[in-house]
Parts: sequence; structure tokens; C-alpha cells
Amino acid sequence: EVQLVESGGGLVQPGGSLRLSCSASGFTFSSYAMHWVRQAPGKGLEYVSAISSNGGSTYYADSVKGRFTISRDNSKNTLYLQMSSLRAEDTAVYYCVKDSRRYAFDIWGQGTMVTVSS
Amino acid sequence: QSALTQPPSASGSPGQSVTISCTGTSSDVGGYNYVSWYQQHPGKAPKLMIYEVSKRPSGVPDRFSGSKSGNTASLTVSGLQAEDEADYYCSSYAGSNNLTPWVFGGGTKLTVL
Repeated sequence: EVQLVESGGGLVQPGGSLRLSCSASGFTFSSYAMHWVRQAPGKGLEYVSAISSNGGSTYYADSVKGRFTISRDNSKNTLYLQMSSLRAEDTAVYYCVKDSRRYAFDIWGQGTMVTVSS
Repeated sequence: QSALTQPPSASGSPGQSVTISCTGTSSDVGGYNYVSWYQQHPGKAPKLMIYEVSKRPSGVPDRFSGSKSGNTASLTVSGLQAEDEADYYCSSYAGSNNLTPWVFGGGTKLTVL
């Protein structure tokens, strides 16, 4: 079964840091680009970041550029999102998402909640 | 404000059809045949329902169909069933040279009356 399982979310103070992890199974992780998409409470989906299959290319939304870093360890089938200088507006459920190679997101993790508050 | 515009709500009775629109620009929806649709039930992760405008992943009922005309894409749900009640989001590829290569709509809450 293809599965993505996020972890690492929690409560953090403004200005703090957090690292999210996403463990992948059921597919050849190293062959697919991966993405992070977030959803603030009661709001819609927001595209956050992407990384190519070999990790050589990355993308960041303007809202997180310079503060978040996406990375992957293909030997561990794991995707990461290092978040720093966190702000209240970063509060959201963060989803790890598999690229379908068909310009769509075909597998989503269950999400991990990040709350930035003092 | 979302990059793609969707109506905040839509509704229909069981057995009826409902169509949800998704309006973008020539830089995203109108420029690529890479519109996708996602269904999200409360407290759950989104699920891919349509990709490349009108293709259905394996396991998605053929009651769900997609289309596009110009800068507007549409999702039609035919033969509405109670379990179709959910939030629906459209998304479009906007090109690798764009500031944001992927854009989402604000979502539409579908109510089955």
C-alpha cells in the first residue's frame, strides 16, 4: 500500500523552529518529486514547497522562502521540511504529497498540525 | 486570496448533477491542460479525483467528470450521493518559470440536500 506518514508537528513559539518528517512506503520514493502543501484552520490549500526526485531542485512559495528548507533522504525514504522563524500565520496542517508525474498530487499523507503561538 | 476562483458553495439533491467552476488565467488554467480536482472530507486529507482536466484515477467513480473551456475548468458530479458531500479544490500547473508553479482554488463546499 502506498503510504505517507508525517510527524514532527506541534506547538512552537513565534520565532521558533520545527522539523517535519514524512516517511514514505509502498512506492519507489527516489523516483518521484515530492511536495508540501499546508492548510490553515478552516481555510483552503496552500502550496508550500517542492523537491525533485534526486533533491537537486527545490521550490518555495514566497510566503516561506528564506525560512523553510525542504530536503529528502532517498536512502531512508523520508522527506523533510525544516521550518524556522515561524510566524502565527504558519499555523496549519502540513501535508506531505507525492507527485503523480501527471501534473497532479496523487497521494497525500494524513497531515501534521503545526501551531505557532506564545 | 487564492489564485484560482471557485464558488464558496454548491448544492444538489441526491441523484441530481452539480457543476463546480474554477476560474484562472491564461498563465495557469488556460495555458495548460493540467487542471486537477481534489475531494476533502472533514478532518481528512485531500483525495485526487481528476487530473489533466478530465482523467480519473483508478477507483474514482465515473460520476465525477472534468472539463475546461478557456480559463475556466469545471468539475461535474452526476447522480449525487450523500458521500459526495465534501470540500472540493481545483489546482492548476502554472509553469516552471512562474513564481508559483502550482496554484489552488479557494475550495467549494458541496452540500447534498
